[in-house]
Amino acid sequence: QQQVKQSPQSLIVQKGGISIINCAYENTAFDYFPWYQQFPGKGPALLIAIRPDVSEKKEGRFTISFNKSAKQFSLHIMDSQPGDSATYFCAGVFNQGGKLIFGQGTELSVKP
Amino acid sequence: EPEVTQTPSHQVTQMGQEVILRCVPISNHLYFYWYRQILGQKVEFLVSFYNNEISEKSEIFDDQFSVERPDGSNFTLKIRSTKLEDSAMYFCASSAGGGSTDTQYFGPGTRLTVL
Repeated sequence: QQQVKQSPQSLIVQKGGISIINCAYENTAFDYFPWYQQFPGKGPALLIAIRPDVSEKKEGRFTISFNKSAKQFSLHIMDSQPGDSATYFCAGVFNQGGKLIFGQGTELSVKP
Repeated sequence: EPEVTQTPSHQVTQMGQEVILRCVPISNHLYFYWYRQILGQKVEFLVSFYNNEISEKSEIFDDQFSVERPDGSNFTLKIRSTKLEDSAMYFCASSAGGGSTDTQYFGPGTRLTVL
């Protein structure tokens, strides 16, 4: 019930293309959905986040689309760049205590 | 920019030994967390800590694990008797508040290898 399922496990995109990563959740007690970006040798860092009462949030080239009825959300990276190559984790956060439940992660590689 | 630091970056230990992983959270943060990531798997919540008490712990966080804030700056995770399956990357995180929208800032991690 606490799971967040993420796909694909890995993704290869050409420079300038659109990267799309999908997540689904079961637990309706989540009330915030962040995406974290992790570079090799570093800890995860917050990239962008959305509340479930919002259907879309855009920050620069990064957009979250959220479908509350389907319990699904996705990250779109427009004009993907080699510097975007990293592992991306979606997560759900419980209101009480802020515990993060992460998806399995997507390793993105953007080819020049 | 303030950041969470962790030491050591890599710890190798023998099965059954005790290890202490250390973290220095961001100075004005009040909420502290430990997560772990087994190689190739997702990041998993271990424990949250606030006001010198454990707020929540996962089923992974059994009696072999303990956390402590021994002074005003450090936050430690102790594993009393390490097992092979404790081998993982351990991340410390801190946040200013404990709500869902309060950003958790992660340290670079400590890679624990149990032989």
